Amino acid sequence: NAGVTQTPKFQVLKTGQSMTLQCAQDMNHEYMSWYRQDPGMGLRLIHYSVGAGITDQGEVPNGYNVSRSTTEDFPLRLLSAAPSQTSVYFCASSSFTGTTEAFFGQGTRLTVV
Amino acid sequence: RKEVEQDPGPFNVPEGATVAFNCTYSNSASQSFFWYRQDCRKEPKLLMSVYSSGNEDGRFTAQLNRASQYISLLIRDSKLSDSATYLCVVRSGGYQKVTFGTGTKLQVIP
Repeated sequence: NAGVTQTPKFQVLKTGQSMTLQCAQDMNHEYMSWYRQDPGMGLRLIHYSVGAGITDQGEVPNGYNVSRSTTEDFPLRLLSAAPSQTSVYFCASSSFTGTTEAFFGQGTRLTVV
Repeated sequence: RKEVEQDPGPFNVPEGATVAFNCTYSNSASQSFFWYRQDCRKEPKLLMSVYSSGNEDGRFTAQLNRASQYISLLIRDSKLSDSATYLCVVRSGGYQKVTFGTGTKLQVIP
C-alpha cells in the first residue's frame, strides 16, 4: 500500500551541485507532478506529466528537468543547485477519472548552501 | 491578482467553536474544487471535494459560489486534532491544471 514514494526525505547540496529527486507511484495514475512549497507562497507547480513520454512546464520550471519513461516514475533533476532552490518538494499523482484526488509523497526538504 | 487566494490566518479558536474559511478564485472556467489539509511538515491530503450544491462530511461543510467565485469550508465543534493548514485547490483546463492556495492556518486551543 505504498502510494507515492518520494526519496530522499532530506538533502543538503552545495551551490552548483546536481541531484535527482525520485518519485514513484504504484496506483497506475496517468498524471504526475512536482511542486515546491515555500513559506507564504503555497505549492507551486514545477513540471507535470500526463503520461509516459509526455511532460510539460508548470509555473516555476527554471533550473529543473523531468522525464517520464514509465507510468510509475517521475524523477526531478536539479541541474545546478542554487540557494533559491532551498524548499520543500512534493511529488503528486492522480488519475484523470473520478474525483481526481491528488496523492502526495512525503516531501523532500532540500537545503542548498 | 493570484489565481487562488486565501486568508493565511492564523485562526485561533477554542475547542467546540465553529470556524469558517473562504477561498476566492479568479478563473471563471474553473471546473473542480477541493479542500486539502496539511499538517505541520507533512504532505497535503484531501479533506473533501466541493460540489456545486454544497456537501457535508461529518463536522465539515463545503460550499461553492460560482457567481462570486469563492468556496468555503465550515468546521463545527472544532477539535484539537483539527489544528492544521487548510489548502484551497482549484482545477481548470484539459490537463488538470491545478492551483493551490497558500493555505489558512487553524489552531484549536484547549
